[in-house]
Order: sequence, then structure tokens, then C-alpha cells
Amino acid sequence: DAKTTQPPSMDCAEGRAANLPCNHSTISGNEYVYWYRQIHSQGPQYIIHGLKNNETNEMASLIITEDRKSSTLILPHATLRDTAVYYCIVRVARQAGTALIFGKGTTLSVSS
Amino acid sequence: NAGVTQTPKFQVLKTGQSMTLQCAQDMNHEYMSWYRQDPGMGLRLIHYSVGAGITDQGEVPNGYNVSRSTTEDFPLRLLSAAPSQTSVYFCASSYSETGGTYEQYFGPGTRLTVT
Repeated sequence: DAKTTQPPSMDCAEGRAANLPCNHSTISGNEYVYWYRQIHSQGPQYIIHGLKNNETNEMASLIITEDRKSSTLILPHATLRDTAVYYCIVRVARQAGTALIFGKGTTLSVSS
Repeated sequence: NAGVTQTPKFQVLKTGQSMTLQCAQDMNHEYMSWYRQDPGMGLRLIHYSVGAGITDQGEVPNGYNVSRSTTEDFPLRLLSAAPSQTSVYFCASSYSETGGTYEQYFGPGTRLTVT
């Protein structure tokens, strides 16, 4: 699976958009970009995933660059409850037995 | 749906003791897995199962056993606990990993301390 690079930490004011970047310059054509988050001491929570088109769901938007070498997770109106570690993961679909490689992620701190 | 449940939430063992960490899901997911999370190490895959009666090893299987007699349950057994197994253990499930890009659902975790 391709390696990802994320900033270790980011701050965001409550109510503002949080834009979390991720570099995955060695991504292959059949690898998807996944985002998970882990709120303090809880199990990781799936947020969104995509292949090459931008995706949006009730939690967030995922913007993937045309060359697929980077992506941005957007939380449109961050709240205090969005304070968490956010993980960008790249992996091939249909691959049983391979772990989700979480890495160190980005710690997002949302403040009022 | 209760989702993925894990018991116990906390456990303290002495070196050499054995125990079973329970994991259950009510979403009819074929795929289940166990991870451990250590500070600065991320999550590492211990064992996984693609369906009832089928299990396989992940990255760090030594010292752990699993079985999958039903779709719902996937217990993790520590055979002889060691201090190196002090960690937070997460169980996860999803629809078949071989069938698509389905997201994994994680349980709340079991915090294990081995003294």
C-alpha cells in the first residue's frame, strides 16, 4: 500500500471549515484513499473514501487532486466533538487480510 | 443495531494467565479482525476472519489464538499473557473485504494490562 504523509497537528476554530491535507505521491491506479478518525481512546471511525472523484457524505467531503497524489478532507463546520486524530489511508480494494495502515495521523484540535 | 461490541472494557492480568477477549457484531458482516494499538505504533493487525470457520494471521499473531464458529462472534484468546501484550485491543468488522471497498466498523476497545 502507498505511504501517506500528513501534518502532525492542526488547529481549527469552531464553526469554521477544517481542511486536512494528505500526500500520497506513490499511489497506484487501483488504490483508494480512505479517511478514518479516532476520538480520544475510542475505536477508529470511518469517515469517507474515494478513488479519483470528489466525494461527499453527511460527515465530510473528500477532494482528490487530478493526479491523485494528494487529497484533502474537509469538515465544513467543525465542532468541538470533531477534535480527534485523523488518519489518511491508501489501500487496494478486494484485499482480504491486509491491515489498515493507520500511521500517526493528524491531530485536529477544534477550539471555541 | 448495537454495532461492534467488545468485553471486557478493562482487564488486568498477571504474567502467564490466559483469557479471552470477546467481540460480537450484529450487522451480518463476513469480515472480522483484531488489532492492537500501542503508543506511537498505530494499529497492527493480529488475526482476521473472512467468514465462519475461516481465520488467518495478520502482522503480529504470536501469543494469540482466534476461532470463528459463528458469523457474529470472533473471540481473541491470549494463551499465556506477557507484559508485551499490554495494549488496547480493537475488534473490527465489515462486509466482505474481497467484495468491494467496504468500510470497517470498530468496537470501543479493551484496555489490557499485564503485570
